[in-house]
Amino acid sequence: QKEVEQNSGPLSVPEGAIASLNCTYSDRGSQSFFWYRQYSGKSPELIMSIYSNGDKEDGRFTAQLNKASQYVSLLIRDSQPSDSATYLCAVFNFNKFYFGSGTKLNVKP
Amino acid sequence: NAGVTQTPKFQVLKTGQSMTLQCAQDMNHNSMYWYRQDPGMGLRLIYYSASEGTTDKGEVPNGYNVSRLNKREFSLRLESAAPSQTSVYFCASSPPSSGGVEQYFGPGTRLTVT
Repeated sequence: QKEVEQNSGPLSVPEGAIASLNCTYSDRGSQSFFWYRQYSGKSPELIMSIYSNGDKEDGRFTAQLNKASQYVSLLIRDSQPSDSATYLCAVFNFNKFYFGSGTKLNVKP
Repeated sequence: NAGVTQTPKFQVLKTGQSMTLQCAQDMNHNSMYWYRQDPGMGLRLIYYSASEGTTDKGEVPNGYNVSRLNKREFSLRLESAAPSQTSVYFCASSPPSSGGVEQYFGPGTRLTVT
């Protein structure tokens, strides 16, 4: 079983809609949780970090963490074509980061 | 402030050749990491260094060695390259925190082994 699981997609949403990306992790001791955006041919770019249960909002992005269910999600409101990318979920545990394989998001104009 | 830099950007090797990938950061971060990224596989940790003078294996260390030369620099060496090592290699760094903090990535090295 992989440490971090994501649906590979692609997830297609129309411009202006809410995109919902999900991630589950296997180790209950995991301490910190991150979402990265990666455009094709580019390096990952951090967009959200979350450390405690609940919601964290930053602009159009909301990260949600539920440690009891071992579940992390990312909501993107008012999706734009420029949000089209692969979104990587990452979990930090004992000095190491574990990444999911990423969900490809397509936002259609 | 350049962040995390990596050299070279592209490299083609023949099977059995060796090379060193270089990484440097100017953010005074303690921790540095090497990942490889293959299509559909996400990022897999090869080696990491939690602080200057220490290195530890990640998920996929076989075929690689690392050196933490000083606080700024962390290199990855392929002693005898194999086609299975064709991949994109990313270096990353993060500031010190026991709880885990954000990583910052370099631009990547695209390596092809023929």
